[in-house]
Amino acid sequence: EAQVTQNPRYLITVTGKKLTVTCSQNMNHEYMSWYRQDPGLGLRQIYYSMNVEVTDKGDVPEGYKVSRKEKRNFPLILESPSPNQTSLYFCASSLRVLAGGPPDTQYFGPGTRLTVL
Amino acid sequence: AQSVAQPEDQVNVAEGNPLTVKCTYSVSGNPYLFWYVQYPNRGLQFLLKYITGDNLVKGSYGFEAEFNKSQTSFHLKKPSALVSDSALYFCAVRGRFSGNTPLVFGKGTRLSVIA
Repeated sequence: EAQVTQNPRYLITVTGKKLTVTCSQNMNHEYMSWYRQDPGLGLRQIYYSMNVEVTDKGDVPEGYKVSRKEKRNFPLILESPSPNQTSLYFCASSLRVLAGGPPDTQYFGPGTRLTVL
Repeated sequence: AQSVAQPEDQVNVAEGNPLTVKCTYSVSGNPYLFWYVQYPNRGLQFLLKYITGDNLVKGSYGFEAEFNKSQTSFHLKKPSALVSDSALYFCAVRGRFSGNTPLVFGKGTRLSVIA
């Protein structure tokens, strides 16, 4: 089954304790992205990756890191989490983003609810 | 800069009645437009998209949306609402000449269909 998986689905942690949220897709998609969803703010993009070893900042990258060493995986790293990073996080992937072409339909993971105390 | 607005945080409609969820956008040039839906405790799911061609786009679950260039709108519609349509709906846009910049999502509109 074609899907985007995220782990963990729920995480409660404390300020400053490094954590990683994994994201994996089995559709051979080139494009992957991380979003955070907050009430009243909708979906905001954190980082995205056009392909392996190619990453770029989204709208709210501060406090986050990503890596794209393999096509299928795009982990989100919080080196020193703070309470303002408490949020619902979504990973998404799509087939490709051609220069000047339309964005492909994105497939979203089930979400990771993170609480930073 | 690209932006999208969903002017209503909440839309309530009775089951069987038509529903409309509004979306307006701002981009340079022509847009690519998407609608996604989020059911409780789930990720976003693709509903429909406008890339080019016919202004009326039909999508999943009986939804459709009409691209209106003069009003810069892309409202989501369904002729007869179901209780199961209750969810959070997101409109997203990217300008046709915005290179590889990512989609910009609206803040979402919560649709509540009442039996």
